[in-house]
Amino acid sequence: GEDVEQSLFLSVREGDSSVINCTYTDSSSTYLYWYKQEPGAGLQLLTYIFSNMDMKQDQRLTVLLNKKDKHLSLRIADTQTGDSAIYFCAETDSGAGSYQLTFGKGTKLSVIP
Amino acid sequence: SQTIHQWPATLVQPVGSPLSLECTVEGTSNPNLYWYRQAAGRGLQLLFYSVGIGQISSEVPQNLSASRPQDRQFILSSKKLLLSDSGFYLCAWSESGGLGAYNEQFFGPGTRLTVL
Repeated sequence: GEDVEQSLFLSVREGDSSVINCTYTDSSSTYLYWYKQEPGAGLQLLTYIFSNMDMKQDQRLTVLLNKKDKHLSLRIADTQTGDSAIYFCAETDSGAGSYQLTFGKGTKLSVIP
Repeated sequence: SQTIHQWPATLVQPVGSPLSLECTVEGTSNPNLYWYRQAAGRGLQLLFYSVGIGQISSEVPQNLSASRPQDRQFILSSKKLLLSDSGFYLCAWSESGGLGAYNEQFFGPGTRLTVL
């Protein structure tokens, strides 16, 4: 089956940039997503990128996609303590009519004041 | 606007007892519905998904079952809980898009289940 891999932990100082990385195996991925999960809560979509794009910027968030290497990253500029959460990378192959998302295990971001 | 509800928020059950978790969606019709389990350190595992009333697909063989008695209601059940069923259960919905559709999933607040 398809696989999505992320490192489990990342620790940064407040005000620095955070970069969360993700690799995936599905060469037919059409959309790739970043979700955020705060403690004890459900997941919230942060941003997504269509597979024919290589970059997307949304305020403090920058998503980079290297389709050749199947590598996705999320950069958070000026990281704040409120950014502490688990970040999930996910992909879908909607071109095959699939509704399902394949999620990574999540990267726990800890922001040190 | 659309909202998704799950209850209960937390549940503590003994081994061998039955389970019923409920999820309802408002503000949309004919959504795709999903049940996920998030066990500690194991990320999100898709358990079931449904594309319509009475249509359930199971992703992982286990002692859980799902039902969709109404368009916007999704229920996760078990006849006898195991210790390994403990975890955080998340319900989600998405639009019933076709080929090439953007499949954003919207998640509920989750149910924390502890089996003792």
